[in-house]
Amino acid sequence: QKEVEQNSGPLSVPEGAIASLNCTYSDRVSQSFFWYRQYSGKSPELIMSIYSNGDKEDGRFTAQLNKASQYVSLLIRDSQPSDSATYLCAVDSNDMRFGAGTRLTVKP
Amino acid sequence: NAGVMQNPRHLVRRRGQEARLRCSPVKGHSHVYWYRQLPEEGLKFMVYLQKENIIDESGMPKERFSAEFPKEGPSILRIQQVVRGDSAAYFCASSVGGTSYEQYFGPGTRLTVT
Repeated sequence: QKEVEQNSGPLSVPEGAIASLNCTYSDRVSQSFFWYRQYSGKSPELIMSIYSNGDKEDGRFTAQLNKASQYVSLLIRDSQPSDSATYLCAVDSNDMRFGAGTRLTVKP
Repeated sequence: NAGVMQNPRHLVRRRGQEARLRCSPVKGHSHVYWYRQLPEEGLKFMVYLQKENIIDESGMPKERFSAEFPKEGPSILRIQQVVRGDSAAYFCASSVGGTSYEQYFGPGTRLTVT
């Protein structure tokens, strides 16, 4: 059974802080990893994809991948109230598996 | 540059009726995926299609559910004889290649079975 695990939260951070979202996966052959943001009542929106070990930065977002530890994370710097949403980790290993999501609240 | 289109956005059906959900992928994308999301739950993969082919339907219930992606026209997810437990948001996503490529989601169809 291929599993993608995320802390369900809620995770609460003050405005301007760094939010750290974590995801672990069980299938060692996974090669592609994605982070999506989903606002309540809306569809998932792609934030970042990462395929190689290490860090990938895009604006205030940094994805980190460690295939040996089967771990992928998302850091959000200078968190804003508009970042309040559920963040979904997705892992591809011949089919796309989504974690249950972590609900993030950024407090002004 | 149109994204993934889904219609209808909201669909109400009585128990026993049929529901037809439509999805038009991003122009140039030939891979379509359907997901279901129950309230306060995560996304569950249902089916992955390419034009005229079902690639993976491992997440699709064995009965009452079917999907197609014809050579011309949108992908269709059909639910026959709907039951209350089918009430959910159904999302379609598309990608330019297989499952290792980024998927872009449509706005979803919210199905309510009364």
